[in-house]
Amino acid sequence: AQSVTQLDSQVPVFEEAPVELRCNYSSSVSVYLFWYVQYPNQGLQLLLKYLSGSTLVKGINGFEAEFNKSQTSFHLRKPSVHISDTAEYFCAVSGSNDYKLSFGAGTTVTVRA
Amino acid sequence: NAGVTQTPKFQVLKTGQSMTLQCAQDMNHEYMSWYRQDPGMGLRLIHYSVGAGITDQGEVPNGYNVSRSTTEDFPLRLLSAAPSQTSVYFCASSYGFGTPGQYFGPGTRLLVL
Repeated sequence: AQSVTQLDSQVPVFEEAPVELRCNYSSSVSVYLFWYVQYPNQGLQLLLKYLSGSTLVKGINGFEAEFNKSQTSFHLRKPSVHISDTAEYFCAVSGSNDYKLSFGAGTTVTVRA
Repeated sequence: NAGVTQTPKFQVLKTGQSMTLQCAQDMNHEYMSWYRQDPGMGLRLIHYSVGAGITDQGEVPNGYNVSRSTTEDFPLRLLSAAPSQTSVYFCASSYGFGTPGQYFGPGTRLLVL
């Protein structure tokens, strides 16, 4: 089984500042990793995913994440945030031969002007 | 394509009542799943299906039933609602390994009194 820990429950940040959301996972098998975003009162939208290959993954809306196998981490970054990035962000993991996703508890990002 | 659709958007039940949350997708996805979202706990898998006629339990299956008679539909049944089932429910679908839960529905907010 896999599990995910998101190390920050809330991250306040000023507009145009960089942001990093931390995600650690545990698994005994090869994994696929995902970041989802949830805007207020909406469903989840996939930001990016790591399946294999390059450890630096680029996603939508200027986000990127880096897979670090030795540290079992998959941190999400954006160099310059906008007010519209205010949302909740979820890290998720699945085994590479498993359909099931395990989610972290989420990180709420609040961008202030 | 409509993607993943869920009905109703909001429902209030009394303790002991039963109801069915509907989920449909028009992308011919084999894999479908149900999650519940509770504050501070991320999303937890209730039940999932890897194809018509095949279902299995997730992390929190108690109090819920599912069936998958067609590829398109995956209803979730609450047999006897309890206040602990107050939550937001999301349905998701995907093609297969490596893309679990890639497409999420808009969610159903359920309040059990």
